[in-house]
Amino acid sequence: AQSVTQLDSQVPVFEEAPVELRCNYSSSVSVYLFWYVQYPNQGLQLLLKYLSGSTLVESINGFEAEFNKSQTSFHLRKPSVHISDTAEYFCAVHRNSGGYQKVTFGIGTKLQVIP
Amino acid sequence: NAGVMQNPRHLVRRRGQEARLRCSPMKGHSHVYWYRQLPEEGLKFMVYLQKENIIDESGMPKERFSAEFPKEGPSILRIQQVVRGDSAAYFCASSDQGGFGANVLTFGAGSRLTVL
Repeated sequence: AQSVTQLDSQVPVFEEAPVELRCNYSSSVSVYLFWYVQYPNQGLQLLLKYLSGSTLVESINGFEAEFNKSQTSFHLRKPSVHISDTAEYFCAVHRNSGGYQKVTFGIGTKLQVIP
Repeated sequence: NAGVMQNPRHLVRRRGQEARLRCSPMKGHSHVYWYRQLPEEGLKFMVYLQKENIIDESGMPKERFSAEFPKEGPSILRIQQVVRGDSAAYFCASSDQGGFGANVLTFGAGSRLTVL
């Protein structure tokens, strides 16, 4: 079994300030870690993922996340947020199960960027 | 490539009616997943289908819910005799193969069901 914990349901932050959205996971097997973003009334979009290799992964819009195996964490960070980053962010673990993907999502963190 | 298309985007039903939600996967994708998002909750897995086959329905409620993915046409999530607790956003995702590798799930914009 696997689980994902997003510790903060809402995070307000001023524009141009840094932000960290926390994610911890637990799993008895190897998993892969993802962050998805959901803008209002839209579906989820992949933000970034960790499969293997370098533990620091980056997205094209300035977000980064670091896989920390010892702390079972995959926190999402951005050094300077923009109004357009206002959205809900979901951490997820993917694992292979019988040839297909089983995905477990966290409950989401709503990022509100304040002008 | 139009991506994953879901319709209707919004659906209103009265208690006891049936709801049918459709999902057309991305072109070339033959694997479909359905998820449900309840208010203030994350997405919960419901069912995974390949063409004409239900592979994993461990997340589906035992009664009133069914899903199919026929050889031709979209995948359909069907909810019979809806109740207020069925009000949620239902998301469909598709992938081009079941295995993992570099594949990710591509999500549709969701169908929001409101039961009056």
